[in-house]
Parts: sequence; C-alpha cells; structure tokens
Amino acid sequence: EAGVAQSPRYKIIEKRQSVAFWCNPISGHATLYWYQQILGQGPKLLIQFQNNGVVDDSQLPKDRFSAERLKGVDSTLKIQPAKLEDSAVYLCASSLMGFTEAFFGQGTRLTVV
Amino acid sequence: QKEVEQDPGPLSVPEGAIVSLNCTYSNSAFQYFMWYRQYSRKGPELLMYTYSSGNKEDGRFTAQVDKSSKYISLFIRDSQPSDSATYLCAMILNTGNQFYFGTGTSLTVIP
Repeated sequence: EAGVAQSPRYKIIEKRQSVAFWCNPISGHATLYWYQQILGQGPKLLIQFQNNGVVDDSQLPKDRFSAERLKGVDSTLKIQPAKLEDSAVYLCASSLMGFTEAFFGQGTRLTVV
Repeated sequence: QKEVEQDPGPLSVPEGAIVSLNCTYSNSAFQYFMWYRQYSRKGPELLMYTYSSGNKEDGRFTAQVDKSSKYISLFIRDSQPSDSATYLCAMILNTGNQFYFGTGTSLTVIP
C-alpha cells in the first residue's frame, strides 16, 4: 500500500513570497489533514477535509493560508504572503474516516528568510 | 490549559531499560488514543491505537489508557537504540473531528 505522498520535501522562500504544497493521500482515505509542526513542538492541525468538504479549519490563519481538496483526493496548501514565523514542517495525513488512525507523509520543510 | 499535556523530556535511558511515556488530557470527550513515533526529519508513524480504557500490547510496546484519570501511557520494554525518537501522543474527540497531539517526548536509548 502506497503511503501519503508530499512535495516538495524542502522549500526556502523570502518573506512576503507565496508557496504551495501538494499532498496525495492513501487511496480510499476520505479524511485528509494538514498539520504545521514547528521545531520542538507537536503537530498543530491547520485544516481537516472529509472528502472535498472542510470539517475543521478553526486554526487556519485564513488571511494568509488557504487549502483545497478538489475531487476529494489530492490537496494543496498555500501560504500567501509568507512570514518568518511560518517556518515549520507542513505535514499531510490521511485516514479512512474521522475516527480512525491517521497516516502521515514525510512532510515539507519550509524555511522563510 | 492545553488540551493534551506531555512532558517534552528529553529522556535518556540505557539499552534494555523500561521506558514510560505519559500524557494527560482535560477533555473527557476524547475517545480514541494513539501513540506515534517520529524520527528526525520524518513524518510521525503510528505505533498504537486504542479505544477503551485498559492495556493493549504489541511486541515490546504496551499502551495504557485510564479514562477516569484522563491519563495515557506508553511503555517500552527492553528498549533499543533504534527506539531513539520523539514519541507523540494523540487523541480524537468522540465526534471524530479535532485530532489533538501532545508536544512529544524526545527519547534517547544509549547503547
């Protein structure tokens, strides 16, 4: 079974630039999560999708972050404009449904300079 | 107060030791409990998943849930250097939404 795929693995951008991350979940997984993990901290949920609908985006900074999951499969997370404090690892995870364990991708390490 | 509290460590033990990792939580609506292991520069990988109070064993790993005390634990027996990683507890509410993580405990097993 293929795992959660994310790209790119690493990204360095200047502040105020924009950036996008891509995630392909495990086939058949209806629930998709985007997490932000700052160094030394646990993952923080940014947004949760069930199929192509948003279940929870209460911690997503909507003035600069956006996410979509067209056709209920792949997802993209965008930051525009980026700030220095956005430097973190962005993890995508998927699960069969909201009650089950989530499987994580390798993450995208973003550095904003 | 955070929803999930976890001692960040770091924790350093000799090879072969028994390791105890713990998390406490405040919301009694948490119903599903997980432990993830995260190696440096990798995504978290699932170790254990439990639903009810009690113990669940898988090889050298035992997960324990005490819902009355709002306390969960992960025990690692005969710890190995390959167990050196950050261990994250995670919980899901009974609504199926809101997947909460602890801050993680960094573990080093010394050969």
